[in-house]
Amino acid sequence: EDQVTQSPEALRLQEGESSSLNCSYTVSGLRGLFWYRQDPGKGPEFLFTLYSAGEEKEKERLKATLTKKESFLHITAPKPEDSATYLCAVQGRGRGSNYKLTFGKGTLLTVNP
Amino acid sequence: KAGVTQTPRYLIKTRGQQVTLSCSPISGHRSVSWYQQTPGQGLQFLFEYFSETQRNKGNFPGRFSGRQFSNSRSEMNVSTLELGDSALYLCASTDRGNEQYFGPGTRLTVT
Repeated sequence: EDQVTQSPEALRLQEGESSSLNCSYTVSGLRGLFWYRQDPGKGPEFLFTLYSAGEEKEKERLKATLTKKESFLHITAPKPEDSATYLCAVQGRGRGSNYKLTFGKGTLLTVNP
Repeated sequence: KAGVTQTPRYLIKTRGQQVTLSCSPISGHRSVSWYQQTPGQGLQFLFEYFSETQRNKGNFPGRFSGRQFSNSRSEMNVSTLELGDSALYLCASTDRGNEQYFGPGTRLTVT
């Protein structure tokens, strides 16, 4: 069974204070690892897809990296508008894993001005 | 392109009733997935449909069912509602790629 664990559960930063969020996973053949951002009362917003170890993707102040066991979401010089819950999900290749995402519980990021 | 739309946005039902939620995918997307989100369990996969066929189903009781129409629109139904069914129900659509794009969700409250 695919599993995703995110840490920390909550993170409070000062504006401009860079940090990283962790996503550890076990999956029977990784088809893709996904990062989403979710604001209160809204659906998750797609950020990145990573497919293989060593891959990196960037978008504004966010950079996602992937190894064979975990992914990191690096936030550089965050701003208050980056405050949200960040969700990590995996899609596996094994039977039962097709066509579904397995999510972690998320990291609640708060950036204070 | 318009995003994924879900109706209704909010719903209050009484225990024992049934409910139907609707999802319209992004134009051209043929795969629709449903997820339940609760504070305790997070996001959990319910089922996925492609071309009117269910291709995968999560570990939920048979009270939860769904279907997809020929225009890719999807509905999910929950019968005999329980208090624990109170949650945000999210629909996501995808095209040939792996990225799933989510709608705003339907907030269901069971009293």
